[in-house]
Amino acid sequence: GEDVEQSLFLSVREGDSSVINCTYTDSSSTYLYWYKQEPGAGLQLLTYIFSNMDMKQDQRLTVLLNKKDKHLSLRIADTQTGDSAIYFCAENGGNTGKLIFGQGTTLQVKP
Amino acid sequence: DAGVIQSPRHEVTEMGQEVTLRCKPISGHNSLFWYRQTMMRGLELLIYFNNNVPIDDSGMPEDRFSAKMPNASFSTLKIQPSEPRDSAVYFCASSLVGVSTDTQYFGPGTRLTVL
Repeated sequence: GEDVEQSLFLSVREGDSSVINCTYTDSSSTYLYWYKQEPGAGLQLLTYIFSNMDMKQDQRLTVLLNKKDKHLSLRIADTQTGDSAIYFCAENGGNTGKLIFGQGTTLQVKP
Repeated sequence: DAGVIQSPRHEVTEMGQEVTLRCKPISGHNSLFWYRQTMMRGLELLIYFNNNVPIDDSGMPEDRFSAKMPNASFSTLKIQPSEPRDSAVYFCASSLVGVSTDTQYFGPGTRLTVL
């Protein structure tokens, strides 16, 4: 069945790069997404990538997609304390409109 | 656009009471999703609607939960009777499925506490 896996926790120092990894199982996904959730708030779309792309860059964010290995990563350059949040990976496998979310990775940024 | 609107933002109730959560999706979106988030179980999809019709309610925990979407601009999630284990943050999300990226836009959530 559909499944999305993420590591649960990542701690980095301010100014370093953060890399959050995700694996998924459904090869029919056309889009893969990264959402950010700050404390007490809903999930906010950070970025998405079309499945026929290998990389997408948006300012400090770089998304890498390895479709063969079904591996997605989010790199945040020059990580700031304001980047501390939970990051969710998701895919739209099956094109039903449903998104399958990972468990979320808590990013802790130390000053 | 105001985004997805949920009310109330916080609800505290006693076990056995009826709870109704409300959601107004983004205008023009054709799909609406109800999620529940807890520390123990993470983010769970409860039910989703397409063009106001329930498509998949397999995530609804039990008969105490029901959801309706009487029109394209309003949905409710009802819990009757409520139990302490229903305490969670409930999110509503909407999207325009089948046209573009299927991106879901989330509301701010309703934090429910059942005593």
